[in-house]
Amino acid sequence: EPEVTQTPSHQVTQMGQEVILRCVPISNHLYFYWYRQILGQKVEFLVSFYNNEISEKSEIFDDQFSVERPDGSNFTLKIRSTKLEDSAMYFCASMGQGLHEQFFGPGTRLTVL
Amino acid sequence: GQNIDQPTEMTATEGAIVQINCTYQTSGFNGLFWYQQHAGEAPTFLSYNVLDGLEEKGRFSSFLSRSKGYSYLLLKELQMKDSASYLCAVRDRTNDYKLSFGAGTTVTVRA
Repeated sequence: EPEVTQTPSHQVTQMGQEVILRCVPISNHLYFYWYRQILGQKVEFLVSFYNNEISEKSEIFDDQFSVERPDGSNFTLKIRSTKLEDSAMYFCASMGQGLHEQFFGPGTRLTVL
Repeated sequence: GQNIDQPTEMTATEGAIVQINCTYQTSGFNGLFWYQQHAGEAPTFLSYNVLDGLEEKGRFSSFLSRSKGYSYLLLKELQMKDSASYLCAVRDRTNDYKLSFGAGTTVTVRA
C-alpha cells in the first residue's frame, strides 16, 4: 500500500541553525501539507501546496519557513533559523484529486537546543 | 477560523462502547474527520462525514449534525489496541482542503 515517507525521523539542531525536513508524498497525489504538533498539544496546520505553489499558510508559517517541491517526488520544509519553540513533531501529508483522506507521514521529531 | 471542542480523556473497559463527542464552530463547513493517533505516531484516518447522519465502518461509527455543529465517534467492542488519542478535525470551504484539529481525546482501555 502506498505511503508517505519522511526523513529524518529525528533531527537535533542548535538554535539558529537551518534545517530541512524531507517528505516523499504518495505518487500521483496533488495536494501536499505540512502540519506540526508540539508535545502534548494539538496538530496545527502550517502550509498547503498545490500546483507548484503555496495555496495557504498559517500564522505560524512566517518568513523563517519555506517549502519546495524540487522534483516530481520530494516535498521539503525548510526552517531558516531555528528557535527553541520550533521543537515539535512535523508531519507531512498528501491527498489525491477527488479524495477526502489526507495521508500522513510518520513525522520528523525536531529538537532545537 | 474553527473552534473545535472534545473531551480531554475517557476511560472504558475492554469489550465496552465509548462515544467521543466533538462540537465545532466554523465559518464554512466542508467535512468532518476523525483520526486515531497512537503516542509518538502519525494520525491515521478513521472516518469522514460531510452530510448529516451516521457512517459505519466496522467497529467504528461516526455521526454528524451540521445544524448543531456536532459529531461523535462511536467505538464498539473496545480492544486494548484502541487505547489512543482520537482527533476531531474540520475542513472548511477553501481551495486547499486543510484540516483544523481539535486537541484530541485520549481513550484508555482497561482490561
